[in-house]
Amino acid sequence: QQPVQSPQAVILREGEDAVINCSSSKALYSVHWYRQKHGEAPVFLMILLKGGEQKGHEKISASFNEKKQQSSLYLTASQLSYSGTYFCGTALRVTSGSRLTFGEGTQLTVNP
Amino acid sequence: GAVVSQHPSWVICKSGTSVKIECRSLDFQATTMFWYRQFPKQSLMLMATSNEGSKATYEQGVEKDKFLINHASLTLSTLTVTSAHPEDSSFYICSAGDPSGRHTGELFFGEGSRLTVL
Repeated sequence: QQPVQSPQAVILREGEDAVINCSSSKALYSVHWYRQKHGEAPVFLMILLKGGEQKGHEKISASFNEKKQQSSLYLTASQLSYSGTYFCGTALRVTSGSRLTFGEGTQLTVNP
Repeated sequence: GAVVSQHPSWVICKSGTSVKIECRSLDFQATTMFWYRQFPKQSLMLMATSNEGSKATYEQGVEKDKFLINHASLTLSTLTVTSAHPEDSSFYICSAGDPSGRHTGELFFGEGSRLTVL
């Protein structure tokens, strides 16, 4: 079951904030966030494991609401380099080689 | 982080020919690797799970006779697109997780292979 991402696209000016949401209809073990630039492979941002985890790295953070089976990615004070397509991937089982199902993606454009 | 490498990064072939794509885990052993396909401006769609020493597990709708997967060693999985047609043109990406526990749950992606079938 593919997770649902929203919004599909967002346009920001440099320095503005954005939130990208990911929701699933099935019980999740983990949520993974990736950013992909055009023509390149996805780049890992962070993983959130079961249990209401929150994480952050510099100005990008994420949360995982286990009860609602939702995760949100927060981009603060966006930079031009944040532009790209963001995918959430969800895993249902506890294995290090997780079988991920990806959402449709959210295209983020940061303009000067 | 761990490294997964794919080869070739791009390939152009004639319709009807077969193309092999390699996926290697460079600094860890992967008993399981995953193959994804991505069409332009679309999501990554899981095609199959490659299992070392056993048959691959294919997702619904993926033809196993057309997309042959071999995982002969703990560091190498190959995807062969047989009798390729223009509709097989896509971006193929492999991924693997490090089972050692050094990178909990993280999935590492190869660089991707762009296939164009003429």
